Amino acid sequence: NAGVMQNPRHLVRRRGQEARLRCSPMKGHSHVYWYRQLPEEGLKFMVYLQKENIIDESGMPKERFSAEFPKEGPSILRIQQVVRGDSAAYFCASSPVGSGGKNIQYFGAGTRLSVL
Amino acid sequence: TQLLEQSPQFLSIQEGENLTVYCNSSSVFSSLQWYRQEPGEGPVLLVTVVTGGEVKKLKRLTFQFGDARKDSSLHITAAQPGDTGLYLCAGAKNTDKLIFGTGTRLQVFP
Repeated sequence: NAGVMQNPRHLVRRRGQEARLRCSPMKGHSHVYWYRQLPEEGLKFMVYLQKENIIDESGMPKERFSAEFPKEGPSILRIQQVVRGDSAAYFCASSPVGSGGKNIQYFGAGTRLSVL
Repeated sequence: TQLLEQSPQFLSIQEGENLTVYCNSSSVFSSLQWYRQEPGEGPVLLVTVVTGGEVKKLKRLTFQFGDARKDSSLHITAAQPGDTGLYLCAGAKNTDKLIFGTGTRLQVFP
């Protein structure tokens, strides 16, 4: 019973490069959420996706960040032209269809992005 | 704006002591989750509470959702070193995103 899988676990990029973070939700889950945890801060919501649809991107920075959840394959969080301030832990969570207001979300182990 | 405030922020206790962590807000939530996060790992779900006044027990952990669904508490009885970690509350409103609290770092010494 695999949980939420994120890869890579650690990613090092130089300023100006692109970062691609992948998330495979739990089996049977069609809702994916991305959160960012800056050093010494709490988790902040970024984006909520269902298959082929962005439902809520109110937490996404206006530039350089994008997310997708295609019909086939994992969800991707893409950061273009990374800057040092993008260094953080990025967590993906998934929930089953019809969480019925309880909104039970299960988290992956995260991708730790370091920008040099 | 931080909608969920947790207290205390840090807590260091000896094995066998009891402790309570608080999660407070001025907003009403439709549900509230408690997670524990260890260094280098993602948050692990402990419990979800939905009904105002609800109390749930998980071994030595007791979770309570306030009557007005604005606050919650986590009580640990006879803490053990294995309870060490970052405890996070997270609330959900009408939308599906979770709003996380500021976190409580617990250290239990043997």
